[in-house]
Amino acid sequence: QQQVKQSPQSLIVQKGGISIINCAYENTAFDYFPWYQQFPGKGPALLIAIRPDVSEKKEGRFTISFNKSAKQFSLHIMDSQPGDSATYFCAASMDGTASKLTFGTGTRLQVTL
Amino acid sequence: GAGVSQTPSNKVTEKGKYVELRCDPISGHTALYWYRQSLGQGPEFLIYFQGTGAADDSGLPNDRFFAVRPEGSVSTLKIQRTERGDSAVYLCASSLIAGVNEQFFGPGTRLTVL
Repeated sequence: QQQVKQSPQSLIVQKGGISIINCAYENTAFDYFPWYQQFPGKGPALLIAIRPDVSEKKEGRFTISFNKSAKQFSLHIMDSQPGDSATYFCAASMDGTASKLTFGTGTRLQVTL
Repeated sequence: GAGVSQTPSNKVTEKGKYVELRCDPISGHTALYWYRQSLGQGPEFLIYFQGTGAADDSGLPNDRFFAVRPEGSVSTLKIQRTERGDSAVYLCASSLIAGVNEQFFGPGTRLTVL
């Protein structure tokens, strides 16, 4: 049972453009939503995370938008750079903790010159 | 300081063999997590430890999988009677305190079962 659905599977964006990745969840008990960035041969690294008491969180060029009623959240990468080319995973966990993360299937982002 | 380290980085074994995968967490981190990442998929939770005890092992797929953390630091994931379907990257992560702080991931061990 896939509890966190992520789209698109892959994304190509020109340098300077906006990359948008979407996730939807089913379990209303989820209340912590992080995004991870993974480069080939490396482990995932936390980019930014949000809890459902806010609708948006911004850190530098990265923004999470959260829609609790729709059970959806998205990652926006502004001014995308070739160095942002990586696989991005959304995730979710329950009870306000980050102990047991349920991950989406990933989005492979390529930023072209 | 050093991040999470995992050894070996690659492990090739034959079907039916026993394997051990090791994880060295960041010094001082009390929580340690194991995930499995199949090709083209997101990491899948296996088990996590708070200190020496397994706080949640609900993700272990069957009784062929077992993990220990005897001294509350290094952890070993043990897989008995390996099957081809066990082939994946096994990721370890640690955090200062479970459920409170960010999880830092290691580079993973790529397990291939022939």
